Amino acid sequence: DIQLTQSPSFLSASVGDRVTITCRASQGISSYLAWYQQKPGKAPKLLIYAASTLQSGVPSRFSGSGSGTEFTLTISSLQPEDFATYYCQQLNSYPFTFGPGTKVDIK
Amino acid sequence: QVQLQESGPGLVKPSQTLSLTCTVSGGSISSGSYYWSWIRQPAGKGLEWIGRIYTSGSTNYNPSLKSRVTISVDTSKNQFSLKLSSVTAADTAVYYCARENYDSSGYYPASDYWGQGTLVTVSS
Repeated sequence: DIQLTQSPSFLSASVGDRVTITCRASQGISSYLAWYQQKPGKAPKLLIYAASTLQSGVPSRFSGSGSGTEFTLTISSLQPEDFATYYCQQLNSYPFTFGPGTKVDIK
Repeated sequence: QVQLQESGPGLVKPSQTLSLTCTVSGGSISSGSYYWSWIRQPAGKGLEWIGRIYTSGSTNYNPSLKSRVTISVDTSKNQFSLKLSSVTAADTAVYYCARENYDSSGYYPASDYWGQGTLVTVSS
């Protein structure tokens, strides 16, 4: 299985901050990476697919980059509704594994 | 607007079979090039991909669960289902159904619509 690691595991930030989350794959996955946001008690929401393509309806403050084994999710200016847990998922090979998550909390 | 809704027992006894159904509304399960998947999340933990099915019946499963998992589709009811046999307490989780969609190039999938999730507890 392809293992995904995320850093940091926990991030404390303020409204307006620029936030960057990193996802690393144990082997190359080209651009077969998606990012999701999950709030407590809710299903994950797709933010980014194909490593850098913004899902329709997702605010432009979210962006993704990377290919191969290293990827980043950036929130350019953190908003109150962005406090959540973020997961990356590789869809290059079965099983489609998820990273362990990064919780973004209010500073 | 596509909507997915999980249904099934919230409590399953150890060694029995967990059975869940996902009903798709707002569109035909057979239209488009979509896969339909199951993902689970134990309380306070991360997400685990269980497997997926295409409307042709073609399936892909997580090898860690493959011996116990069956995913099937009923296009006449616009539903797909999950069966997980020989359950233990480790199978206690919120189970989500989701649609896997491919981008315009046809290469890059992602789960763009999700059900709200249903908690299944394995306990005697």
